[in-house]
Amino acid sequence: DADVTQTPRNRITKTGKRIMLECSQTKGHDRMYWYRQDPGLGLRLIYYSFDVKDINKGEISDGYSVSRQAQAKFSLSLESAIPNQTALYFCATSGLYSGTGQETQYFGPGTRLLVL
Amino acid sequence: AQKVTQAQTEISVVEKEDVTLDCVYETRDTTYYLFWYKQPPSGELVFLIRRNSFDEQNEISGRYSWNFQKSTSSFNFTITASQVVDSAVYFCALSGYYNQGGKLIFGQGTELSVKP
Repeated sequence: DADVTQTPRNRITKTGKRIMLECSQTKGHDRMYWYRQDPGLGLRLIYYSFDVKDINKGEISDGYSVSRQAQAKFSLSLESAIPNQTALYFCATSGLYSGTGQETQYFGPGTRLLVL
Repeated sequence: AQKVTQAQTEISVVEKEDVTLDCVYETRDTTYYLFWYKQPPSGELVFLIRRNSFDEQNEISGRYSWNFQKSTSSFNFTITASQVVDSAVYFCALSGYYNQGGKLIFGQGTELSVKP
C-alpha cells in the first residue's frame, strides 16, 4: 500500500463550488505539505504543517484553506473554486527535523483538478 | 532569495545515449539541501537523491550520477545509456538547512524524451 494517499485522484468542478482534497499518510511523519503544479512553473507550496497545532501559509495560499485533522491527515479546501485553480495538486510528508538535516519530502500520487 | 533554474525545458535523445540535465541554484544559506525528483508520465513524483551542501562528493547509482559543484552552484544529473523508461519530467529542488518552513523550491523541470 502507498505511504501517502490522496483522494480524489481526479475531480471536475464548477466555478464557485467548494471542494476538499484529502491526504493521508502512514509514514509516521510529523510534517505535511500541499503543493500545486502548473505547466512550466514546477511545484509551488500552498500550505504546510509541522504538527496538528501548527499550520503555516506557503507561497500561494490565497483562495485555499487547510485542516490538519490528525498527524496522518491533512486536507486542502478551495472555498470557492475558480478556473485558475485548475492544476495538479500534491501532498507531501517529511519527518521531524532531527538536527541531522532537512528530511526528504515524499509525495502522494497527486490530484488532478479541473475547474470549469 | 532562493531560486532553482533548469534551463533545459525539453531534451530528446535516442536510447543508449548519455544525457545530462542541468540544475543551477541560488541561495544565501551556507548549509542547504538539493534534491532531484522524477515525474514519469503517470504523474507521481519519485524521489531520486538528496545532497547536503557540505558533501561535495559525486554520487553514482546504477546508470544515474550526480555532479555537485558549490563553486558554480550547480547540481547536474547524468543518465548513462538512457532507456525509454527514463522518459519523464525531472525536477531539481532546494531546501534551506534551517528549514525555512521545510519548503522545497523547485525548478521548472526538464522533460526528457528517450526514443527507441
